[in-house]
Amino acid sequence: QVQMVESGGGVVQPGRSLRLSCAASGFSFSTYGFHWVRQAPGKGLEWVAAIWSDGSKEYYTDSVKGRFTVSRDSSKSTLYLQMNSLRDDDTAVYYCARDSAVGTFDLWGQGTLVTVSS
Amino acid sequence: EIVLTQSPGTLSLSPGERATLSCRASQSVSSYLAWYQQKPGQAPRLLIYDAFNRATGIPARFSGSGSGTDFTLTISSLEPEDFAVYYCQQRSNWPPWTFGQGTKVEIK
Repeated sequence: QVQMVESGGGVVQPGRSLRLSCAASGFSFSTYGFHWVRQAPGKGLEWVAAIWSDGSKEYYTDSVKGRFTVSRDSSKSTLYLQMNSLRDDDTAVYYCARDSAVGTFDLWGQGTLVTVSS
Repeated sequence: EIVLTQSPGTLSLSPGERATLSCRASQSVSSYLAWYQQKPGQAPRLLIYDAFNRATGIPARFSGSGSGTDFTLTISSLEPEDFAVYYCQQRSNWPPWTFGQGTKVEIK
């Protein structure tokens, strides 16, 4: 079954860290790039980060540069998002998404909720 | 950064009616525009990519058109399961990859 499953969300205090994981199955993980997209409560979709299929390039939205790091482990077919120095406005559902054509998101995980609150 | 503006914000229609959703880009995105559907509590689902190509498994009642800065998603005859929020997204000029703010299609 082709799917991606996120985990690692939860409630965290401002300034703390959290690592999200996205486990892929049913397809060749190493041949795809991936993205993280988030959605604040009641809001629209916001692209967060991207990593190329070979891990050679990473991209970030300006608001998370220097705080978030995207990575991948092909041996585990897993995508990660390390989130440091979390802020209130990072509160959102975080989705991992597979890239089928440099920015077309053809497969999404179910999402994991990150709540930043004191 | 390319800004995508969707209209209307909300579309109130009855099952069987035709839905026409608009997405306008702040500069040309050629044909590099996708449409996604999102239902409450669910992840987005790819409907249309590169302006007019239906994704795998998407019914023929969904169609996309346009190029440059003006795009349209048309649902020819609304089914009960089509009431949802729809987002456009560009992959022409990145990063960042950007989304529109969404159009909600609700039951009238």
